[in-house]
Amino acid sequence: KAGVTQTPRYLIKTRGQQVTLSCSPISGHRSVSWYQQTPGQGLQFLFEYFSETQRNKGNFPGRFSGRQFSNSRSEMNVSTLELGDSALYLCASSTGPSEKLFFGSGTQLSVL
Amino acid sequence: GNSVTQMEGPVTLSEEAFLTINCTYTATGYPSLFWYVQYPGEGLQLLLKATKADDKGSNKGFEATYRKETTSFHLEKGSVQVSDSAVYFCALSEGGGATNKLIFGTGTLLAVQP
Repeated sequence: KAGVTQTPRYLIKTRGQQVTLSCSPISGHRSVSWYQQTPGQGLQFLFEYFSETQRNKGNFPGRFSGRQFSNSRSEMNVSTLELGDSALYLCASSTGPSEKLFFGSGTQLSVL
Repeated sequence: GNSVTQMEGPVTLSEEAFLTINCTYTATGYPSLFWYVQYPGEGLQLLLKATKADDKGSNKGFEATYRKETTSFHLEKGSVQVSDSAVYFCALSEGGGATNKLIFGTGTLLAVQP
């Protein structure tokens, strides 16, 4: 069974641009969560989706948005990139809320 | 708000040494508690969990006991191996089990030397 797949693995963008990150959950998993990991702030929760509905949102500005499709795949978008958005963005999937989370290897975003 | 505090690293040990990584939490209600491990270049993997007071989570020789009286969930292993070198994260789950939102500690880097 394939694991959680995140694409692309690495991204380099410049300030002001926007970026879209993709996450394909494990087959059969309907819940997808996103986390931002930085050396300074550690791991911080971004969003949680279940069956295409956002169930929870972390304390991030409106530049950060996400969505989930009917096949459970999820995307997150960051608009008007800032230097501080440079981070490893991790996606995790599970069969449902409070079930075991399986993390992908992440997308490393660098904003120059 | 809810939070997790874990000991700062790096923790450097020799192979077969005893490991303790301290973790304390602040939370309302009765959160579930977790330890995750992150190997270089990889995402997080669930190591163990406990869902109620006095529960002991265990996996691959690692153990942690949910202590409500001291709001702690310390990670222990009796004999570490070089392959245990990784970053360890303590976390709690908010929302009474109805969410996958986790609050993480800052992580503790463990380096095991042969």
